[in-house]
Amino acid sequence: EAGVVQSPRYKIIEKKQPVAFWCNPISGHNTLYWYLQNLGQGPELLIRYENEEAVDDSQLPKDRFSAERLKGVDSTLKIQPAELGDSAVYLCASSPGGGRSSGANVLTFGAGSRLTVL
Amino acid sequence: AQTVTQSQPEMSVQEAETVTLSCTYDTSESNYYLFWYKQPPSRQMILVIRQEAYKQQNATENRFSVNFQKAAKSFSLKISDSQLGDTAMYFCAFMKHESGGSNYKLTFGKGTLLTVNP
Repeated sequence: EAGVVQSPRYKIIEKKQPVAFWCNPISGHNTLYWYLQNLGQGPELLIRYENEEAVDDSQLPKDRFSAERLKGVDSTLKIQPAELGDSAVYLCASSPGGGRSSGANVLTFGAGSRLTVL
Repeated sequence: AQTVTQSQPEMSVQEAETVTLSCTYDTSESNYYLFWYKQPPSRQMILVIRQEAYKQQNATENRFSVNFQKAAKSFSLKISDSQLGDTAMYFCAFMKHESGGSNYKLTFGKGTLLTVNP
């Protein structure tokens, strides 16, 4: 099993440029998350999907951030335009979701995409 | 809203010794889950151990065990026989339980950096 795959691992851009991150969750996982992790901090939820529906996007800065999960599998997180304060690691995670099985709420994380905005 | 507090930003331990990482949380919920995640320098977050709040028995996973004190809202992680590979950032996390099992938002503490010295 490949786990949660994210790309790119590292991205350096100038401020005001756009950037996109891609995530492929574990096969069969209905729930997908994007987290933001600033240096020395714990991850903070940006958006959570149940299949293709965004069920919690209250922490997503919608003026510059957007996300999609077409067909309920892969997901893309976009920032346009990027600001200096967006420099961070963007983590994708997935979980089986969908019910009361003991592992339904266990999140598996990808390796993250580290963004540096200059 | 739930909050998770890890009061030890950094800790160190000698190889083969035992170390305990502290975590407290604040919630008005009666049913929830608690997690410890490990994030090594490669940055991939890995689940260490999970505790269901309605279970009084403390969870254990090989060298890792927890001391769950529900009344005190405390959830500490004990690592026995510490190994060099245990060097990582450790995050305590809280997840509210929703009937129907549809809400899997994970709230993290700020983390404790554990260094295992040879």
